[in-house]
Amino acid sequence: ELKVEQNPLFLSMQEGKNYTIYCNYSTTSDRLYWYRQDPGKSLESLFVLLSNGAVKQEGRLMASLDTKARLSTLHITAAVHDLSATYFCAVDGSHTGNQFYFGTGTSLTVIP
Amino acid sequence: EAQVTQNPRYLITVTGKKLTVTCSQNMNHEYMSWYRQDPGLGLRQIYYSMNVEVTDKGDVPEGYKVSRKEKRNFPLILESPSPNQTSLYFCASSLTPSGVQPQHFGDGTRLSIL
Repeated sequence: ELKVEQNPLFLSMQEGKNYTIYCNYSTTSDRLYWYRQDPGKSLESLFVLLSNGAVKQEGRLMASLDTKARLSTLHITAAVHDLSATYFCAVDGSHTGNQFYFGTGTSLTVIP
Repeated sequence: EAQVTQNPRYLITVTGKKLTVTCSQNMNHEYMSWYRQDPGLGLRQIYYSMNVEVTDKGDVPEGYKVSRKEKRNFPLILESPSPNQTSLYFCASSLTPSGVQPQHFGDGTRLSIL
């Protein structure tokens, strides 16, 4: 069974600071997705990473994928309050079928 | 507007009373999926469908049924709901299961089984 672990589960950070969320997965996959969920809302796609070494950036968020290490990172630069949300990574089990596996999520709170 | 529509958004019901949560997408997507979200567990896939009449089990299929008779619809059926199925449910769709397009999620259905 493919497992996806995110660290940390909870993150409280001050505005203006940088931090990284980590997503490790247990088996081979070439595709990784990052989603954002605001409280009481649905999931919104942030990034799609399709190959080893892929890097995507949007505003203060940058995501990368290392398929050899089975690791993706979501880096937050100069955090602002609007980034407060829960962030999920998800792995496409393309080598084991067509299932998707989500991490447990990282709840981010940005404090003024 | 491209969207995934779930109904109902909220439902409180009792153990054993059959219920159906509908899901419809207007994007001509091939892949559709159901997830449940529970605190501390993230999202877990219940069932998915690659196309019409093609469905498969995800990680937590026990107690659920699905059907895909039309491309746009993918209802989730709880034949005999139990309290451990109290959860937040999301339907999602994508053009293909693996590709450049991410999944689009519905607004969610909060189910409470008493």
